Amino acid sequence: EAGVVQSPRYKIIEKKQPVAFWCNPISGHNTLYWYLQNLGQGPELLIRYENEEAVDDSQLPKDRFSAERLKGVDSTLKIQPAELGDSAVYLCASSLLAGGPPNEQFFGPGTRLTVL
Amino acid sequence: AQSVTQLGSHVSVSEGALVLLRCNYSSSVPPYLFWYVQYPNQGLQLLLKYTSAATLVKGINGFEAEFKKSETSFHLTKPSAHMSDAAEYFCAVTGNTGFQKLVFGTGTRLLVSP
Repeated sequence: EAGVVQSPRYKIIEKKQPVAFWCNPISGHNTLYWYLQNLGQGPELLIRYENEEAVDDSQLPKDRFSAERLKGVDSTLKIQPAELGDSAVYLCASSLLAGGPPNEQFFGPGTRLTVL
Repeated sequence: AQSVTQLGSHVSVSEGALVLLRCNYSSSVPPYLFWYVQYPNQGLQLLLKYTSAATLVKGINGFEAEFKKSETSFHLTKPSAHMSDAAEYFCAVTGNTGFQKLVFGTGTRLLVSP
């Protein structure tokens, strides 16, 4: 079974440029998560999708960050414009169900963003 | 609300020695607890989880953890460290009612010396 796929693995951009990250979850997983992991920290949830609906985006900085999951499968996270403080690892995870007893979240390898 | 505290950002052990990584949690509802491992440039992999069944939970790679409600702890142990255990370990907590987000600790880096 293929795991969560993310691309690109690494991205270096200059500040004020736009950037996009892509995630393809495990087949059949209807819940998708985007996490931000700063250096030396644990992941923090940015947004959670159930199918194509964003059910929790309270931690997503909406002035510059946006996300979409148009067909309820793969997802894109965008930053425009990027700032120096956005340098971090962006992790995508998926699970079968989000309600009730927590289902295991499967994580992708992440995209390491460096903003110069 | 839930939170976890991982004591020690770095833990160093010799190969073959006992591994003990500490995690204390805070939760307003009965918790579910997890340990994840992250190898360099990789995503997080679930080691084990506590979901209110047995308090002693066995996971992959010889790791286990014990849920102690009285101490609000969920420490991770392994009897004998291997060089391949060197990685970052994260404790995480969520509530057991409805959907509550997974809250991670700051992580503990395990260093294993020959």
